[in-house]
Amino acid sequence: KNEVEQSPQNLTAQEGEFITINCSYSVGISALHWLQQHPGGGIVSLFMLSSGKKKHGRLIATINIQEKHSSLHITASHPRDSAVYICAVESGLGQGNLIFGKGTKLSVKP
Amino acid sequence: EAQVTQNPRYLITVTGKKLTVTCSQNMNHEYMSWYRQDPGLGLRQIYYSMNVEVTDKGDVPEGYKVSRKEKRNFPLILESPSPNQTSLYFCASSPRTGLTDEQYFGPGTRLTVT
Repeated sequence: KNEVEQSPQNLTAQEGEFITINCSYSVGISALHWLQQHPGGGIVSLFMLSSGKKKHGRLIATINIQEKHSSLHITASHPRDSAVYICAVESGLGQGNLIFGKGTKLSVKP
Repeated sequence: EAQVTQNPRYLITVTGKKLTVTCSQNMNHEYMSWYRQDPGLGLRQIYYSMNVEVTDKGDVPEGYKVSRKEKRNFPLILESPSPNQTSLYFCASSPRTGLTDEQYFGPGTRLTVT
C-alpha cells in the first residue's frame, strides 16, 4: 500500500474550469509539499503546509491533519497550468525524509 | 541568481565505472537532498542532509553514497553503477527556517548505465 495516494492520476479540463487534485496519506507527518513538474521536466515547489490553507495567485492548498488529506485547487485554469502535480509528505518521525505520491497529470485545453 | 546546479546534465556510462554527480546551491541553505525519478514509480528520495557533516538515508539509498563537507555542495557518488540506476536524478535544497521551507530543485541529471 502506498503511503501517499493522489487522485486522479490524469485530469483533462477546459480552460477556465476549477480544478481539484487530492492527496491522502497514511503516516504521521510534519509537513506536506505540493510540487509542479513542467512538461520540460523542471520541478517547482508550490506550497509547503503543516496546517490550514495557503493561497498563491490562482492556486490554493488545504490540509486536514485529522483526516490525513490535502487538496490543491486551481481556479480559472489555463493551458499553461498543464503539468504534473506531485504531493509529498515529510515524515513526522524523520524530518527531512520525503515520501512522494505518483503525481497527477493535468492537461488544460483551450 | 539563486539556483541549484547539477553536473553533468546528461551522462551515459558503463556498468561498474565510478561516477559522481555534483550538486551545488548558492542560497546558503542548510538542507539538501537527492531524488531519483522513474516512470511508474515517481520521485523517490535517495539521501538527504540537514546540515554540514549530517547525512541520512532516504527510501532508496542502496548503491549510492553522499557527502556534505561544505554547505553549498552535496555530491552523489555511484561507486559501481548498475543498469537499474538508470534514471533521472534531481538535487534540491531548502532553507529550513520554519518560515518557508519550500524546496528548490536543480534541473536534473539524466543518467544511463549500460
